[in-house]
Amino acid sequence: DVKVTQSSRYLVKRTGEKVFLECVQDMDHENMFWYRQDPGLGLRLIYFSYDVKMKEKGDIPEGYSVSREKKERFSLILESASTNQTSMYLCASSKRTDYNSPLHFGNGTRLTVT
Amino acid sequence: AQSVTQLDSHVSVSEGTPVLLRCNYSSSYSPSLFWYVQHPNKGLQLLLKYTSAATLVKGINGFEAEFKKSETSFHLTKPSAHMSDAAEYFCVVSDPDTGNQFYFGTGTSLTVIP
Repeated sequence: DVKVTQSSRYLVKRTGEKVFLECVQDMDHENMFWYRQDPGLGLRLIYFSYDVKMKEKGDIPEGYSVSREKKERFSLILESASTNQTSMYLCASSKRTDYNSPLHFGNGTRLTVT
Repeated sequence: AQSVTQLDSHVSVSEGTPVLLRCNYSSSYSPSLFWYVQHPNKGLQLLLKYTSAATLVKGINGFEAEFKKSETSFHLTKPSAHMSDAAEYFCVVSDPDTGNQFYFGTGTSLTVIP
């Protein structure tokens, strides 16, 4: 089974801090994604990457950046955390060469910015 | 771009009665369709997927879904609800015309009444 591991389940950070959310997958998937999930808004795509060092903006990239230095790891960076970035963050991966490949999700990181 | 509509934001059923969660998508030549389940404070788990083989797809935990191209629907069903089925359910579409993109419904919250 594909395993997608997010480094933290819960994080509490202060406004203005730089925050790193880490995600690792073990199935050699080319595609990796970061979503945030908020009540009433569903899942919204922040960034995705289809290869090492490649990244594409999603629907809500403002205030975020990403890093993909290795195929298995995709990091989400909040340059200066703000309270409106309090949310559940979900990492996912999929196989690029097969569009039938489903998304495989990590367990999520619940971030609170105070 | 694809759009995915989950027609009910909340569904309540009694334990042991059938479950029907409805999903419609916008037209595409041959989309891939998925249902995911999310328990509180967890990531999304794949229940089942349709990838242009049989129109009736069986998934985990007794769930199944039927692809109806003429109705652009992919409704999720289960003959008999169990308390552990209480969760949020998401219908997701992957469209080959848009490469690596996945499109999410807004989710249906299932309550199972004992």
